[in-house]
Amino acid sequence: SQQGEEDPQALSIQEGENATMNCSYKTSINNLQWYRQNSGRGLVHLILIRSNEREKHSGRLRVTLDTSKKSSSLLITASRAADTASYFCATETYNTDKLIFGTGTRLQVFP
Amino acid sequence: DAGVIQSPRHEVTEMGQEVTLRCKPISGHDYLFWYRQTMMRGLELLIYFNNNVPIDDSGMPEDRFSAKMPNASFSTLKIQPSEPRDSAVYFCASSYSPNSNQPQHFGDGTRLSIL
Repeated sequence: SQQGEEDPQALSIQEGENATMNCSYKTSINNLQWYRQNSGRGLVHLILIRSNEREKHSGRLRVTLDTSKKSSSLLITASRAADTASYFCATETYNTDKLIFGTGTRLQVFP
Repeated sequence: DAGVIQSPRHEVTEMGQEVTLRCKPISGHDYLFWYRQTMMRGLELLIYFNNNVPIDDSGMPEDRFSAKMPNASFSTLKIQPSEPRDSAVYFCASSYSPNSNQPQHFGDGTRLSIL
C-alpha cells in the first residue's frame, strides 16, 4: 500500500527554473525521505527530514515538512538538465523498519 | 565503496520457468529489502530481513515467491513458477538500522520479463 501521494505526477521546466514537488501522507511519521530515480537505475537517497524538523537544506535542495497537514515539499533551485528524473517521497512510521513510497513525480528539465 | 549489487540486470524467460534474482548488500548493513516496481502499482515492498532473518513478508504476492538470506552478504528472491504478471523491475536495498534515521541504498534492479 502507498502512503504517499505526490503532486504533480509530471513536471516540465526549463533549465534555471525552480521545481517544486509535493507529497502528502496519511499517518504519523518518524521521518520523511526524498529519493531520485534516473531512468533504468535504482533509487538514490537525497535528503531525510525528521518529524521534529520543519525545513532542511542540501545544496540546491530544500525540503519542508508540515506534520499538521501531513505534507512535505521538495524544492530544486536553479534546475539543470541532469536533474531530469523521477522523485519519490518515502515515509517511515514509528515502530516499523519499513519505508512506504509515494507515487512519484516525473521531472523533465529542458536545456 | 561498492554499492548494492544485483544480478542479473535483465532476465527474459518463459512462463512457468523458475527465476532467481540475486542481491549483495553493502557490507555492514544489517537490513535488506526486496521491492517490486511496476507502472500500475509503483514501488512495493515485498519482504525485508534483519540480520539475515525475515521480519516481514506480508508484501510477497503469493506462495510462488520466496526469499532467502543465507548470510550477511547474499540474498535471493525466487519465483517458481513464473507468470507474465510477474514482469516488473525488482530492486534490492540495504541499510543500517532504519529506526536510527538511516536511508536505504538501492541496487540498479533486475528487469524481469516473463513471456
